[in-house]
Amino acid sequence: QLQLQESGPGLVKPSETLSLTCTVSGGSISGSIYYWGWIRQPPGKGLEWIGHIYHSGGTNYNPSLKSRVTISVDTSKNQFSLKLSSVTAADTAVYYCARGVGTWGQGTLVTVSS
Amino acid sequence: DIQMTQSPSSLSASVGDRVTITCRASQGISNYLAWYQQKPGKVPKLLIYSASTLQSGVPSRFSGSGSGTDFTLTISSLQPEDVAAYYCQKYNSAPWTFGQGTKVEIK
Repeated sequence: QLQLQESGPGLVKPSETLSLTCTVSGGSISGSIYYWGWIRQPPGKGLEWIGHIYHSGGTNYNPSLKSRVTISVDTSKNQFSLKLSSVTAADTAVYYCARGVGTWGQGTLVTVSS
Repeated sequence: DIQMTQSPSSLSASVGDRVTITCRASQGISNYLAWYQQKPGKVPKLLIYSASTLQSGVPSRFSGSGSGTDFTLTISSLQPEDVAAYYCQKYNSAPWTFGQGTKVEIK
């Protein structure tokens, strides 16, 4: 059964870079037909699509975040990662990783605060 | 970019009522639309994909319809466990935008 698990710091200082990793188990990123993506949800608000990556490394990003976002993949570790630079309090959210539209991780809360 | 507009933003209905949520795309997206249910404090759960295909394990009282720009999620008989926020998401092309969500409550 496919499972995704986010990991990374729960607290990031303003102006620094948020870094999260999603570890995939029960399936392989390499050669998959699916996109592997990131979504976030600020407390009490709706869902925001951040971007996704294909196993070959091709990426697409939300235009509103594109200048600050990098998504990468490490097929040898069966992981993909998110980096969001120059964070502010507005980037405080639960961050989810997902495969396509079907399978999501449990989410991890990242708070931006000094 | 294509915008996704959900309506209503919230609704209150009685147990057993038929509930309809609408999602409208600003441009045609064929049938590349998914619906999610998110209960408080939980991970969003996929209910429907390809606009009308019920995800395995989802109760048959949920159904989806539409193509192009106008889509509908219907709960045929609202149950107490259906209290949640519901989101649509387009995935025909990037960005895979979500609607703003609809909160469903029991009257």
